[in-house]
Amino acid sequence: DAGVIQSPRHEVTEMGQEVTLRCKPISGHNSLFWYRQTMMRGLELLIYFNNNVPIDDSGMPEDRFSAKMPNASFSTLKIQPSEPRDSAVYFCASSPWTRSYNEQFFGPGTRLTVL
Amino acid sequence: QQQVKQSPQSLIVQKGGISIINCAYENTAFDYFPWYQQFPGKGPALLIAIRPDVSEKKEGRFTISFNKSAKQFSLHIMDSQPGDSATYFCAASRDGTSYGKLTFGQGTILTVHP
Repeated sequence: DAGVIQSPRHEVTEMGQEVTLRCKPISGHNSLFWYRQTMMRGLELLIYFNNNVPIDDSGMPEDRFSAKMPNASFSTLKIQPSEPRDSAVYFCASSPWTRSYNEQFFGPGTRLTVL
Repeated sequence: QQQVKQSPQSLIVQKGGISIINCAYENTAFDYFPWYQQFPGKGPALLIAIRPDVSEKKEGRFTISFNKSAKQFSLHIMDSQPGDSATYFCAASRDGTSYGKLTFGQGTILTVHP
């Protein structure tokens, strides 16, 4: 199994540009999570989906952030326009969640730098 | 109510020593308490987890101690090794309604000196 796949692994962009981060969850997993990690704020949950439906987006910091999951094998996190304070490592995680099993499998992350 | 508070922020231990990381939670509905381990440049990965029906779970050198009345749980790493140097996150969730959502602590950076 290839695990959770994220692309790109590194992204450097200029303030004001649109950034799109991509995630391919593990096949068969029904929940997908987007996190942001910084030294100051730790690991923050941005949004999560179950069966492709957004469940809770209360962690999305601003309207500049949006996420979609058009099918079970693909999700995107978009930042438009990007700002320097968005610089962080963004993780996607998936889970084969059931009421008695709850483990999240994290991707390798995308390191975003906004200049 | 949804917070999980983790301490210390950083920990330095000598090889062979015991590393102890503590977490406290507020929401009594939480019923699943995992610890995740993250190496530099990698995503976090599940290390060990416990449910509140037991007070302790051991897997190799790693042990979770759980105190339901105090709403606290801790990770003990026995015979700590330099390869254990990583960031450790405690977490908590409610089975049944959470769809797998985890509430993470702030993380502890563990350094084990040779």
